[in-house]
Amino acid sequence: DGGITQSPKYLFRKEGQNVTLSCEQNLNHDAMYWYRQDPGQGLRLIYYSQIVNDFQKGDIAEGYSVSREKKESFPLTVTSAQKNPTAFYLCASQRSGLIGSYEQYFGPGTRLTVT
Amino acid sequence: AQSVTQLDSHVSVSEGTPVLLRCNYSSSYSPSLFWYVQHPNKGLQLLLKYTSAATLVKGINGFEAEFKKSETSFHLTKPSAHMSDAAEYFCVGGSQGNLIFGKGTKLSVKP
Repeated sequence: DGGITQSPKYLFRKEGQNVTLSCEQNLNHDAMYWYRQDPGQGLRLIYYSQIVNDFQKGDIAEGYSVSREKKESFPLTVTSAQKNPTAFYLCASQRSGLIGSYEQYFGPGTRLTVT
Repeated sequence: AQSVTQLDSHVSVSEGTPVLLRCNYSSSYSPSLFWYVQHPNKGLQLLLKYTSAATLVKGINGFEAEFKKSETSFHLTKPSAHMSDAAEYFCVGGSQGNLIFGKGTKLSVKP
């Protein structure tokens, strides 16, 4: 059953702690993306990776970090430097090419709450 | 510059009546256009996509959209709403190196 998995579905952390969100895909897609979704603001791009061992900052990368050591995996770390980390985080993948070239497939999301 | 505008933040229909969710785009190039649906606390699911092959695009769950270049529109329609269609819908425009999400339209379906 192909798709994108994100874990956990809900995550709670105390302020000042780093937290890592998992994203795995078995679609054999080259490109992967992290978005943040806040009510009324649509989706905003955090980071993306078009190929293993390479990634690029999106529109709101400050306070986040990523790695892409394997094609299937693109974990996102929310650091203590992120001023307002509470949000719904969505991971997506795309078969290849530049962002916007093809449709993206989304995971089920992780809701992060930081208190 | 590319932009995607969803003209309504909220649309309410009765079950069994038609659905119309409006989307306008602007792009210097011929764009790819997508509609996604998101149910509460879920990821986005692709409903349909336009990539210049045909202007009328049929998607899943009875939805379709028509690309009208003269009106720069890509409105999403469904002849008869079902309760399970209640969700948020996103119009998305893509071109090489750029992907723009609309702000979303929340669809409510009354029994």
